[in-house]
Amino acid sequence: DSGVTQTPKHLITATGQRVTLRCSPRSGDLSVYWYQQSLDQGLQFLIHYYNGEERAKGNILERFSAQQFPDLHSELNLSSLELGDSALYFCASSASQGPYGYTFGSGTRLTVV
Amino acid sequence: DAKTTQPTSMDCAEGRAANLPCNHSTISGNEYVYWYRQIHSQGPQYIIHGLKNNETNEMASLIITEDRKSSTLILPHATLRDTAVYYCIVPSGSARQLTFGSGTQLTVLP
Repeated sequence: DSGVTQTPKHLITATGQRVTLRCSPRSGDLSVYWYQQSLDQGLQFLIHYYNGEERAKGNILERFSAQQFPDLHSELNLSSLELGDSALYFCASSASQGPYGYTFGSGTRLTVV
Repeated sequence: DAKTTQPTSMDCAEGRAANLPCNHSTISGNEYVYWYRQIHSQGPQYIIHGLKNNETNEMASLIITEDRKSSTLILPHATLRDTAVYYCIVPSGSARQLTFGSGTQLTVLP
């Protein structure tokens, strides 16, 4: 157990639908990062939050959004889902704003049918 | 981020040392080298990081050349559970996130 909790572990949904992925960071960590990993693809950075504020955006589609709540958990919202959105979505947390000592969760496997 | 170059794949016999190279010739003086690994479909796992001195922890050793243009991750006694993709990452000083490349697929053979 890395200390970073992602729910749900698996999610199957239809095209056009909307889903919410949840991430609870390791205790004390203020930064949350979201990554997408499609089948046989590398890890793509989506977005970074630090203590409730957005700090950096990567290749995140406009159909995707995220937020970090006062209790520091984060949610990634994916809407108007397409088949190509099927992927593993990982959340990582760290104590700082910099790229130091990430701890990753076990991921959410999203399947769009 | 400084560009890193890693071999696509490597094999290693179980029980032997696995030496994974990484070239980062454009690294700046204050940029760290990070190593992570990802065992199939699991979340990536932090291994080690360093600036200029060699580093060792319970998982691995990191050897950085004096000119800092390359480094080697050493798993001293590889096991089958070390089979994974290993990523060498050099985030820029202003970067707030890790950018993962293709990494090296290490296969430990029985």
